[in-house]
Parts: sequence; C-alpha cells; structure tokens
Amino acid sequence: SQQGEEDPQALSIQEGENATMNCSYKTSINNLQWYRQNSGRGLVHLILIRSNEREKHSGRLRVTLDTSKKSSSLLITASRAADTASYFCATGEKTSYDKVIFGPGTSLSVIP
Amino acid sequence: DAGVIQSPRHEVTEMGQEVTLRCKPISGHNSLFWYRQTMMRGLELLIYFNNNVPIDDSGMPEDRFSAKMPNASFSTLKIQPSEPRDSAVYFCASSFDQPQHFGDGTRLSIL
Repeated sequence: SQQGEEDPQALSIQEGENATMNCSYKTSINNLQWYRQNSGRGLVHLILIRSNEREKHSGRLRVTLDTSKKSSSLLITASRAADTASYFCATGEKTSYDKVIFGPGTSLSVIP
Repeated sequence: DAGVIQSPRHEVTEMGQEVTLRCKPISGHNSLFWYRQTMMRGLELLIYFNNNVPIDDSGMPEDRFSAKMPNASFSTLKIQPSEPRDSAVYFCASSFDQPQHFGDGTRLSIL
C-alpha cells in the first residue's frame, strides 16, 4: 500500500528555475526521505528528515516537513538539466525496522 | 564501496520458465529489500530481510515468488513458473539504519 503521494505527477521547467515537489502521507511517521531515479538506474537517496525536524538543507535541496498536515516538500533551487529525473518521497514508519513506503513519484524535466 | 550489485541486468525468457534474480548487498548492511517497479503500480516492496531473516513478505504477489537470503552477502528472488505479467524492473536495496542503497535493477521480460 502506498503511504506517500507526490504532487505534481510531472513537472517541466526551464534551467535556472526552482522546482517544488510535494508529498502527502496518511499515518504517523518516524522519518521522511526523498530519492531520485535517473532513467534506467536505481534510486539514489537525497535527504532524510526526521519527524521532529521541520526543515533541512543539502546543497541546492531544501526539504520541509509539516507533521500536523502530514506533508513534505522538496525544493530544488537553480535547476540544471542534470536534475531531470523522477523524484520519490518515502515514509519510514515508527515500528518497521528500516522499511519505507514509496510514493508514485514526480517526473521532473529541466529544459536547457 | 562497490554498491549493491544485481545480476543479471536484463533477462528475457519465455512464459513458464524459472527466473532467478541475484543481489549482493553492501558489506555491513543488515537489511535487504526486494522491490518491483512497473509503470502501472509504481515501486512495490515485495519482501525484506533483517539479519538474513525474512521480516515481511506480505508484498510477494503469490506462491510463484520466493526469496532467500542464505547469508549476509547474498540474496535471490525466484519466480517459478514465470508469467508475462511478471515483466518489470526488480530492484534490490540494502541498508544499515537509513537510508536504503539501491542496485541498478534487473529488467525482466517474460514473453
């Protein structure tokens, strides 16, 4: 069963613009993670935010978490053509070892 | 660090044949996950192991699917007999705490 739902399903922007993707989930979580998948490759972990954190930064990435609204957002600033990929949020539940549940993903296209 | 290694990268076989997918997790990781990815259903967790023990296999579609982890450095996912609807990309991932590290997957086509 899917826990996270990303929005939008697809996003197309010009190089240099910012890209924002949102994730909503249903149940209590221990952490929320964002992954990237380039075509034909496996998923690559980008950033993890714990349930007691509200914002986290890593390079050009900024993630926010609002546990009261059960939502998260991923902001990629100054996008590059190399950022073209699918982005997935994954929620880690409080009781399940290292198990996470992935959403359906957002397909991002950055046009040079 | 060699990362998670999956083999084969591509597999094309006929319906009814047995298929075995292999995974070598990252050394030191104690959790291993098998996923299936399709356009229609997205990324589905099939089964995961912790310290070589299957913890949750509720995502395994049916009895035709089985997974084993005989030791900390090797796991297999077997489909017998295979069907066209099993065509997908199968990923293996491993972790020690978080996050998960993915292999590049096996693209399986059942004709």
